Amino acid sequence: GAVVSQHPSRVICKSGTSVKIECRSLDFQATTMFWYRQFPKQSLMLMATSNEGSKATYEQGVEKDKFLINHASLTLSTLTVTSAHPEDSSFYICSAKSMTSYGYTFGSGTRLTVV
Amino acid sequence: EDQVTQSPEALRLQEGESSSLNCSYTVSGLRGLFWYRQDPGKGPEFLFTLYSAGEEKEKERLKATLTKKESFLHITAPKPEDSATYLCAVQADNNDMRFGAGTRLTVKP
Repeated sequence: GAVVSQHPSRVICKSGTSVKIECRSLDFQATTMFWYRQFPKQSLMLMATSNEGSKATYEQGVEKDKFLINHASLTLSTLTVTSAHPEDSSFYICSAKSMTSYGYTFGSGTRLTVV
Repeated sequence: EDQVTQSPEALRLQEGESSSLNCSYTVSGLRGLFWYRQDPGKGPEFLFTLYSAGEEKEKERLKATLTKKESFLHITAPKPEDSATYLCAVQADNNDMRFGAGTRLTVKP
């Protein structure tokens, strides 16, 4: 149990375009999901906390107008990188807290490359 | 400020050579300490949660222990398939999760 599905796994986009990343909890309801960014050989950095039915909470330094988060249902949160630039290229990972003792379950991540 | 420090940054072992990974932390009220395994290009995979000092958990060749200041992930007789980055994370009383930078483990046959 406690599976989180993240899509796409890889995406390449042109500068100035927008990219949407989906995070779904497959077998449990997640009122809260988390979005992380990870640079090579570095740790996960929390970008924002996504709350179902309300506005996301962004960490300091994360532009909420650039990284749009929508958590419209108990099983789906989306992260849209708007007007992407090469410096937005990174590995984005979502996670959700299940009611089991499995801690936070992570998606498989999305490798975004902006060219 | 809450901090999580993992050491060493990288560890190379021969198959069968047991060792330990360290996770030192300072946090205002520990709700839980988590260990994850992350393979390249993948999301972290949950291994253990420890809640209080003195607690230990085991899974196959891995054993996690917790004190008030640090946690150890002991790897007994590792195999090449244990090669991965091992991440430690702490959850504070305010539910914030903070991750360490990880230890990149390579086990050579």
